[in-house]
Amino acid sequence: AQKITQTQPGMFVQEKEAVTLDCTYDTSDQSYGLFWYKQPSSGEMIFLIYQGSYDEQNATEGRYSLNFQKARKSANLVISASQLGDSAMYFCAMREPWFYNQGGKLIFGQGTELSVKP
Amino acid sequence: EAGVAQSPRYKIIEKRQSVAFWCNPISGHATLYWYQQILGQGPKLLIQFQNNGVVDDSQLPKDRFSAERLKGVDSTLKIQPAKLEDSAVYLCASSLAGSPSGANVLTFGAGSRLTVL
Repeated sequence: AQKITQTQPGMFVQEKEAVTLDCTYDTSDQSYGLFWYKQPSSGEMIFLIYQGSYDEQNATEGRYSLNFQKARKSANLVISASQLGDSAMYFCAMREPWFYNQGGKLIFGQGTELSVKP
Repeated sequence: EAGVAQSPRYKIIEKRQSVAFWCNPISGHATLYWYQQILGQGPKLLIQFQNNGVVDDSQLPKDRFSAERLKGVDSTLKIQPAKLEDSAVYLCASSLAGSPSGANVLTFGAGSRLTVL
């Protein structure tokens, strides 16, 4: 069964510095997708970035990049130039192979709470 | 485009009472998901619909939880009777139907926070 592990319950970072949030996953499938979502105190889950298991290059979206190390089964999120508005919970998630069921559910980790200090 | 709409945002009930949550997905999204997020944990899938058919309800406590998606658009999640451990945020999400790349993104609503006393 697929599993996502986020070992950092909480992280602090100084404004304008970079921070890495760890995520490891466990699956026996060859085809899967990895996602990061941000959940501010308002509660809504906001999509940040996606990496497919066959993608050769690490995904980037603005200040977000995903450090994908397939052999180590890790998919760490890197946030560059942290801003006060980045303070939130961050969840790593894995999608089962899409053909298992149409759409493919996401399995989430426990989350990491990031606090950005001014 | 309009996002995923959920109501009510907050609900407080006594144990053994019933409650219902409503979700209206993004127009054109065939897949609809209900997730339960207990405080301090990541979301856990309760049920997934593809149009108006159930794709996955393996983690839905069927003795007390039920969900329907009539006409393949909006959906209702019901809990009857509620238990203390049902206190959580209930998140609805929608996405386009599955694609070979698996990259279709789930868009979430703001959630419905349930407190069972």
